[in-house]
Amino acid sequence: AQSVTQLGSHVSVSEGALVLLRCNYSSSVPPYLFWYVQYPNQGLQLLLKYTTGATLVKGINGFEAEFKKSETSFHLTKPSAHMSDAAEYFCAVSPSGYSTLTFGKGTMLLVSP
Amino acid sequence: NAGVTQTPKFQVLKTGQSMTLQCAQDMNHEYMSWYRQDPGMGLRLIHYSVGAGITDQGEVPNGYNVSRSTTEDFPLRLLSAAPSQTSVYFCASRTGTGAIYEQYFGPGTRLTVT
Repeated sequence: AQSVTQLGSHVSVSEGALVLLRCNYSSSVPPYLFWYVQYPNQGLQLLLKYTTGATLVKGINGFEAEFKKSETSFHLTKPSAHMSDAAEYFCAVSPSGYSTLTFGKGTMLLVSP
Repeated sequence: NAGVTQTPKFQVLKTGQSMTLQCAQDMNHEYMSWYRQDPGMGLRLIHYSVGAGITDQGEVPNGYNVSRSTTEDFPLRLLSAAPSQTSVYFCASRTGTGAIYEQYFGPGTRLTVT
């Protein structure tokens, strides 16, 4: 079985500051890892994914995440926050590309001017 | 392509009523699933299907029914609505081959049970 823990239900940053959203996972097999973003009253949109290969993954809107197997982590970062980044972010894990996704509880990113 | 569509967008039910949430996709995806989203709980899988005629339970299947008679459609039925089913429901689909990792989500149905 796999599980996902997102540290912090809310993260507040100032515009231009570094964004760091934390995700730790547990999985009995090498995992596939995902970050999704949800803007208010919308569905989920894939930001980035790690399947195999390079552990630093770049996604849309300037976000990136690094898979660290030794730390069982997949933290999401962005060097400089924009107001438009304010949304809820979900980390998800799957034991294979053919399996169901298990989501974390989400982290709401608040960006202040 | 319209992607994944869901109807209705909003629905209010009384306890004990039944209804069907509709989900359709036009991407010829084999895999479809239903999630519910509750505050502080993330998304939890209700039911999923790996192809027409094949369905299976997810994490929170009680009180919900599904069937998959076509590749395009995957309706979710609430047989006797309860206040605990007040939630936002998302349908998602993905292909079973090629770029198999990305799930495409619909816009959601916001359901309130009074």
